[in-house]
Amino acid sequence: AQSVSQHNHHVILSEAASLELGCNYSYGGTVNLFWYVQYPGQHLQLLLKYFSGDPLVKGIKGFEAEFIKSKFSFNLRKPSVQWSDTAEYFCAVVNTGGFKTIFGAGTRLFVKA
Amino acid sequence: NAGVMQNPRHLVRRRGQEARLRCSPVKGHSHVYWYRQLPEEGLKFMVYLQKENIIDESGMPKERFSAEFPKEGPSILRIQQVVRGDSAAYFCASSPPDRSLYTFGSGTRLTVV
Repeated sequence: AQSVSQHNHHVILSEAASLELGCNYSYGGTVNLFWYVQYPGQHLQLLLKYFSGDPLVKGIKGFEAEFIKSKFSFNLRKPSVQWSDTAEYFCAVVNTGGFKTIFGAGTRLFVKA
Repeated sequence: NAGVMQNPRHLVRRRGQEARLRCSPVKGHSHVYWYRQLPEEGLKFMVYLQKENIIDESGMPKERFSAEFPKEGPSILRIQQVVRGDSAAYFCASSPPDRSLYTFGSGTRLTVV
């Protein structure tokens, strides 16, 4: 069965620190990959997505992610975090042409001012 | 340009009561998906509906849960005889048939007391 694994459940960083959140998935076929962010009390927002093409994907708010097919990974990065990045981040995968999005358990990021 | 609208945002029910959660998709979207987020977990797929049809309900609990997406009006997720374990955030997403613009709503937080 498809699954998504996020390596860290909680991450605490100081402002201006660099961020990397790990995400690995298990599925042998072609996939579409997503990172969502959920700010406290708010809905899910799409940060970025990968469908095909350049494996380095740039999203909103300075985030980027790199798809490494050989490692089944799609790690999220940001060079310098801000206090406003405090939120929960979800990695998600869906089979190309499919409809059932599989989510990781989420990583809660807390950025200290 | 309204996105996916879910209501209510918060719902409190006593054990044994019924909960009705509503989801109005993005205008022009004919496909609706329901997900459940239990505390400390990622979102889990529940059901996929098109107008008047249930396409996939593999994630729905076998009892007490039902979903519909009528020809007119919002999609409804109905939970009968709620129990404490039903307390969760329930998210709805919608998309056009090609699933290219998969959009999530703000969620309904159900608390069973």
